[in-house]
Amino acid sequence: QQPVQSPQAVILREGEDAVINCSSSKALYSVHWYRQKHGEAPVFLMILLKGGEQKGHEKISASFNEKKQQSSLYLTASQLSYSGTYFCGSNQGGKLIFGQGTELSVKP
Amino acid sequence: SAVISQKPSRDICQRGTSLTIQCQVDSQVTMMFWYRQQPGQSLTLIATANQGSEATYESGFVIDKFPISRPNLTFSTLTVSNMSPEDSSIYLCSADTGGPNTEAFFGQGTRLTVV
Repeated sequence: QQPVQSPQAVILREGEDAVINCSSSKALYSVHWYRQKHGEAPVFLMILLKGGEQKGHEKISASFNEKKQQSSLYLTASQLSYSGTYFCGSNQGGKLIFGQGTELSVKP
Repeated sequence: SAVISQKPSRDICQRGTSLTIQCQVDSQVTMMFWYRQQPGQSLTLIATANQGSEATYESGFVIDKFPISRPNLTFSTLTVSNMSPEDSSIYLCSADTGGPNTEAFFGQGTRLTVV
């Protein structure tokens, strides 16, 4: 079951904030977030685990509501380098199933 | 962390032929995954490859069309068989080094065009 992301696309000016949402009809045991730039492989941003543990290495924050089976990615003070397509992924039986993606464009 | 080398990076193939894509990981991994990504679309999981056992295919993907090999813990191949223009896509391999709750790493992808 593919997670559902919203919005599908967002355009920002440098310095603005954005929120990308991810929801699933199946129980979420963990949520992954990746960013993919055009022509490149997806790059890991963050994992959120049941119980609130987060693993990530960029200055991007996220939340995980297990009861609502939702996750949100928060991009604050956006930079031009934030542009790309953001995918959430849900761990389903050891395999990662990705949402349809959110295209983020940051303009100067 | 892990580095995945995937080749070829791109190819243009005639319909009816087959192409084998290779992925080499610089460390041992239990699970490897193959995805397909149509232009502007999400990553769709084709199959999961474990060393020493047959690959597990997702709905809509079959072994005769996408045979997979996993001869050891650092290498896997995906073959796209009897290609048609509908197989034109980007194919990516992926692996995680510590299970499903750890970071997944991706190869750079193979851009396949079938003419």
